[in-house]
Amino acid sequence: AQKVTQAQTEISVVEKEDVTLDCVYETRDTTYYLFWYKQPPSGELVFLIRRNSFDEQNEISGRYSWNFQKSTSSFNFTITASQVVDSAVYFCALIVYGGATNKLIFGTGTLLAVQP
Amino acid sequence: DAGITQSPRHKVTETGTPVTLRCHQTENHRYMYWYRQDPGHGLRLIHYSYGVKDTDKGEVSDGYSVSRSKTEDFLLTLESATSSQTSVYFCAIGPNTGELFFGEGSRLTVL
Repeated sequence: AQKVTQAQTEISVVEKEDVTLDCVYETRDTTYYLFWYKQPPSGELVFLIRRNSFDEQNEISGRYSWNFQKSTSSFNFTITASQVVDSAVYFCALIVYGGATNKLIFGTGTLLAVQP
Repeated sequence: DAGITQSPRHKVTETGTPVTLRCHQTENHRYMYWYRQDPGHGLRLIHYSYGVKDTDKGEVSDGYSVSRSKTEDFLLTLESATSSQTSVYFCAIGPNTGELFFGEGSRLTVL
């Protein structure tokens, strides 16, 4: 069975602090994708990144960076110099390809509050 | 804009009544999903479809049924709504390797 765990329910930081959101996943499959989504207070779900199981290179996009480590089954997300606009719920997700049927499984989310 | 719309966006109904939520896409994606979002549970998969008339259950499928008679529409039906089905429902679409695009959500309240 597949599972995504986001142990941090809520995180509160002050603007300009760095913050890391943890994501641990479980799967026995060798081919899978990992995702991060952002859900701002307005409610929509915004795609941030996709990473496949064969690519362990870290990725940086502006103030965002992602650290994928298969050895620890983790796909952590770091925001550098956080801003109030980063306040949102962040979801980590896993999709395993099972032939014709693919299921995207989400973690329970981490609520990030960035205080001015 | 991913070309996905959900209707209705808000609905209040009474226990025991049937409810149908519609997800419509203009992107011709093969995969369509229905999730529900509840505090403390994140997003949980209800049902999904991998083609016309091809559907499968997710982790919280009890009390829900779906249908997909054409590529662009994926319907979620609550045959007899219960208060435990009060939630925000999200539809998502996507290809089999890419990211999913989500609709704006449908807020359902069952009194």
